[in-house]
Amino acid sequence: QVQLQQSGPGLVKPSQTLSLTCAISGASVSDNSAAWDWIRQSPSRGLEWLGRTFYRSQWYNEYALSVKGRITIHADTSKNQFSLLLDSVTPEDTAVYYCTSSMAVPGLDHLFYYYMDVWGKGTTVTVSS
Amino acid sequence: EIVLTQSPGTLSLSPGERATLSCRTSQTISSSSLAWYQQKPGQAPRLLISGASSRATGFPDRFIGSGSGTDFTLTINRLEPEDFAVYYCQQYGGSPPGYTFGQGTRLEI
Repeated sequence: QVQLQQSGPGLVKPSQTLSLTCAISGASVSDNSAAWDWIRQSPSRGLEWLGRTFYRSQWYNEYALSVKGRITIHADTSKNQFSLLLDSVTPEDTAVYYCTSSMAVPGLDHLFYYYMDVWGKGTTVTVSS
Repeated sequence: EIVLTQSPGTLSLSPGERATLSCRTSQTISSSSLAWYQQKPGQAPRLLISGASSRATGFPDRFIGSGSGTDFTLTINRLEPEDFAVYYCQQYGGSPPGYTFGQGTRLEI
């Protein structure tokens, strides 16, 4: 059974970089059928997908347009974890951040889809000086 | 970007009643890309329905997902006290590809 353990600071100063890590147990970050995502939730923005990383013979990343240019999601195979870096944060980035995992499921159209079936407990991150 | 609009925003019902939650998408999507999540206070969201109609492990058959195209529905029959939560729909797609969530429906007693 996959479990995700989040870690990282709960307070980040404006203009600095938010850094969170998600340690994986019960699966490998380089599993060819898995994807690893970061999602955040705030009262003003609701649930917002930030991006994901996945391995299919090589590493791929997909990022939301709302944070593209500021975000990096990186997998560390030696530690079996993945991380989120969000640069130049502002108070608007204050939110609960979740890491999630999903496995490829074949759809009716013969494409593969991913549903976030395991979530970390969430990390409340406040951006404030 | 595909926009998901959920209605109603809040639904007030009693145990034993039936809840009908709607999720409308701004463009036609594959039903395989539509999921529903349940979130209780202080907890992370939990996958409830995938592929518009497949129930996740641990949820009883009182939860039914349906729909296609741009209109999707989550029906909860015979409401139990533990069903009162916030429900979100989510889809994957668009260009560039990514996930979007609806704003949620709060189901309250």
